[in-house]
Amino acid sequence: AQKVTQAQTEISVVEKEDVTLDCVYETRDTTYYLFWYKQPPSGELVFLIRRNSFDEQNEISGRYSWNFQKSTSSFNFTITASQVVDSAVYFCALRNILYNFNKFYFGSGTKLNVKP
Amino acid sequence: DSGVTQTPKHLITATGQRVTLRCSPRSGDLSVYWYQQSLDQGLQFLIQYYNGEERAKGNILERFSAQQFPDLHSELNLSSLELGDSALYFCASSPRTSLGDEQFFGPGTRLTVL
Repeated sequence: AQKVTQAQTEISVVEKEDVTLDCVYETRDTTYYLFWYKQPPSGELVFLIRRNSFDEQNEISGRYSWNFQKSTSSFNFTITASQVVDSAVYFCALRNILYNFNKFYFGSGTKLNVKP
Repeated sequence: DSGVTQTPKHLITATGQRVTLRCSPRSGDLSVYWYQQSLDQGLQFLIQYYNGEERAKGNILERFSAQQFPDLHSELNLSSLELGDSALYFCASSPRTSLGDEQFFGPGTRLTVL
């Protein structure tokens, strides 16, 4: 089965704290992509990152970093020195190439509240 | 502003009715995706079109259909509407149809079925 689990429904932190959002996925496919999206209070979805299954290198973009570990089927997202503007719902998603070709599977989202 | 436009912004209709949601992709993007976001179902992928052809199908109900026109805009048709179809419908576009393409999302159409 193809599935994405975001076990953390809601997280609250104080500004400048680091926070990690967890994402665990299940897939039978060996070729797939993982994504993170942000949905701020305004409602519009924003693409953050994609990672293909053959590239386990961690990625850093400013205060954002992603840790992809195939051994644990996880693709976690860390925000360093969080800011109020980071408050949003974050979705992790999986896209397969073989099984259920090209479908997206989304996690249920993690709502991040960053308090000043 | 992502460059993707969706109309209308809000739509209120009654059960049993039919509605059409419209999406214009970013200039030059050939792929269009439709998503539904509801409180009980979460965010779900419905369907993808690439250059006028259906490319991938998600959890799209038979009462729903979509198409992409030669000018690349897309329409999502929802018929025999039910209360449970009330949701935010997003359209996204990407340059190609590669699995890993970055997608650019529109602001969404909020559909309320009464």
